[in-house]
Amino acid sequence: EDQVTQSPEALRLQEGESSSLNCSYTVSGLRGLFWYRQDPGKGPEFLFTLYSAGEEKEKERLKATLTKKESFLHITAPKPEDSATYLCAVEDGNNRLAFGKGNQVVVIP
Amino acid sequence: GAVVSQHPSRVICKSGTSVKIECRSLDFQATTMFWYRQFPKQSLMLMATSNEGSKATYEQGVEKDKFLINHASLTLSTLTVTSAHPEDSSFYICSARVLLAGIYFGPGTRLTVL
Repeated sequence: EDQVTQSPEALRLQEGESSSLNCSYTVSGLRGLFWYRQDPGKGPEFLFTLYSAGEEKEKERLKATLTKKESFLHITAPKPEDSATYLCAVEDGNNRLAFGKGNQVVVIP
Repeated sequence: GAVVSQHPSRVICKSGTSVKIECRSLDFQATTMFWYRQFPKQSLMLMATSNEGSKATYEQGVEKDKFLINHASLTLSTLTVTSAHPEDSSFYICSARVLLAGIYFGPGTRLTVL
C-alpha cells in the first residue's frame, strides 16, 4: 500500500525565516510526486510535479526537490501570504494518488 | 493554466434527499476525473475514478449505489449523493489530469446534511 508521511505537521515561521517541509513516501511504481497548496475551505492548488530522483522545480519562493525516498519543499524568505497547508501526493503505477496529511504552515509578520 | 470548476460550491440539504455535484474541465478535455472527500483537518481520500463513457471505479469501502458517478462527456463528471445522511456531510473535491502538466483540482463542494 502506498504511504505518504509529511513532517512537521505544523510549522510557525517568522516572516523571512526560510524552512523546509518533508514528504517521505513508499510507492509501487512511482509515476509522479505532486505538491499542492490548500487554503481553508478551498480545493488544492497545483504547485509542482516531480517525476524522477534529482529533479528540482521552482516557483517564486518555493522549491521542490525529489529523492528516491522523499521530497522537500523549501520555502525561502516566506511571507504571510505563504500561510497554508501544503499537501504532498504520490501517483502509483495504477494512476492512483495517495496524499499525506499535509504541512500546516503559518507565517507571522 | 488548466481550470476545473465545481457546482455548487456549497449545499445544505435535508436527510434522505439526493444531491448532485458537477465537475467541469473548462479549457481542456478530461477522459478521466477523480472524486475525493475531505473531512475537517484530514487529508483527501480518493472515492472513485470517473471514466468518460464507462463505469466508474470505486475505492474499497465506498458504496457505489450511494455515490453515483456519471461521466457523460469529456468535460463533465457528476457525483450524486443519494439518500444523504448527516455522516455524508463533508468537502467533496474533483480533479482531472492535464496531459504533460499535472493533476488539477476543483474548488470543492461543501455538503451539509441536516
